[in-house]
Order: sequence, then C-alpha cells, then structure tokens
Amino acid sequence: KQEVTQIPAALSVPEGENLVLNCSFTDSAIYNLQWFRQDPGKGLTSLLLIQSSQREQTSGRLNASLDKSSGRSTLYIAASQPGDSATYLCAVRQNDYKLSFGAGTTVTVRA
Amino acid sequence: GAVVSQHPSRVICKSGTSVKIECRSLDFQATTMFWYRQFPKQSLMLMATSNEGSKATYEQGVEKDKFLINHASLTLSTLTVTSAHPEDSSFYICSARTSRIEQFFGPGTRLTVL
Repeated sequence: KQEVTQIPAALSVPEGENLVLNCSFTDSAIYNLQWFRQDPGKGLTSLLLIQSSQREQTSGRLNASLDKSSGRSTLYIAASQPGDSATYLCAVRQNDYKLSFGAGTTVTVRA
Repeated sequence: GAVVSQHPSRVICKSGTSVKIECRSLDFQATTMFWYRQFPKQSLMLMATSNEGSKATYEQGVEKDKFLINHASLTLSTLTVTSAHPEDSSFYICSARTSRIEQFFGPGTRLTVL
C-alpha cells in the first residue's frame, strides 16, 4: 500500500523567504505526482502535476521536482507572500489511477 | 479548469438522522466520481469510487450501508450518511474525473453530528 509522508507538518516563515516542502512515497511505481493547495475549510486546487517520466515542473514562483527512484518530491515556492499561507498536499497516482495523499504541510507566511 | 460543486457546504445534524451531500460537475460529464473524507490535520482518505449507472466501489473499512453513494447521472453523485453519529463528523470532499489522469475537487462539506 502506498504511503505518502510530508515533512514538515507545519512551517512559518517571514514574507520574502523561499519555501521548501518535502514529500516522500514508499512505492516508486507511480503514474504521476500532484501538488495541491488547500485553504482552511475549502477544497483542493491543483498547483503542479509531474508525470513519472519528468524531473520537474514549474509554474510562476512554484517549482516541483520529482525523483521517482528515491520516492521523493520537493515543492519550492520562491519569494513567499502572505497569500501563500495554506496547506499544501502532495498526492501520488498509482498505475490504477487512484490518488494517495500525504497529510499536508501547513504554511504560514508572516507579513 | 473544470468546476465541481458540493451542497451543502456545512451541515449540522442530530445523532441518528441521515444527511445527503450532493456533488455536481458543472461544465463537464464525469463518468467517475470519488468521495473522500478528511479529518483535521490528516490526509484525504478515499472512501469510494462511483461510476455512473453502477454500484459504487468502497475502500476497505468503509461501511457501504452507512455511506450510501448514488451516481444517477453523468453530472451528479450523492453521498448519504445514514444514522449519523458524532464520529461521522468530518470534512467530506468529492472529486470528478475528466480523464484517467485528471481529477477536479469540490469545495467540501463540513458535517457536524451532535
């Protein structure tokens, strides 16, 4: 069974600092990996999707890397802003197309 | 992107009553919808997968008689929590799939059972 772990569970940084969020998974036979953002009491917004054959994806200030062989992905958020405060979830899609989620990293960016 | 809605966004009910949550894909047809449950500071746990016109497939440990899922049309799936108890209080999120590799998530429903 796929286990997805996110470290740290919570992170607080001053505005402008770069953020590094880590995700690890136990079964490297994945189809793709996706990073989501979840605001309090809300649903999920997809940020980046990395196919298993890719090493990274970028969108604006966000960059996600994937090392499938070691079962790791990292989400980088450059020059953080208070609006980046949210919970970030990592999810891996197996070859049966089901998503397995980590518990998330809750980020607070202080103004 | 595709939009998925849920109704209601919040519901409070008394123990022993049943609660129905609707999930709609607003601008696309979804042959497959998913229901997740999320406890505070925990990951989303898949409860069941529903395919239009057929019975839902429940994950191990999820009581199908307690969590009734109906996927009557290509744009609507419902989750009914029967005889709800305080331990059923949680955040329920639905998701609809547009392809094998892309899912869109609803805004969630906060259920509180008193």
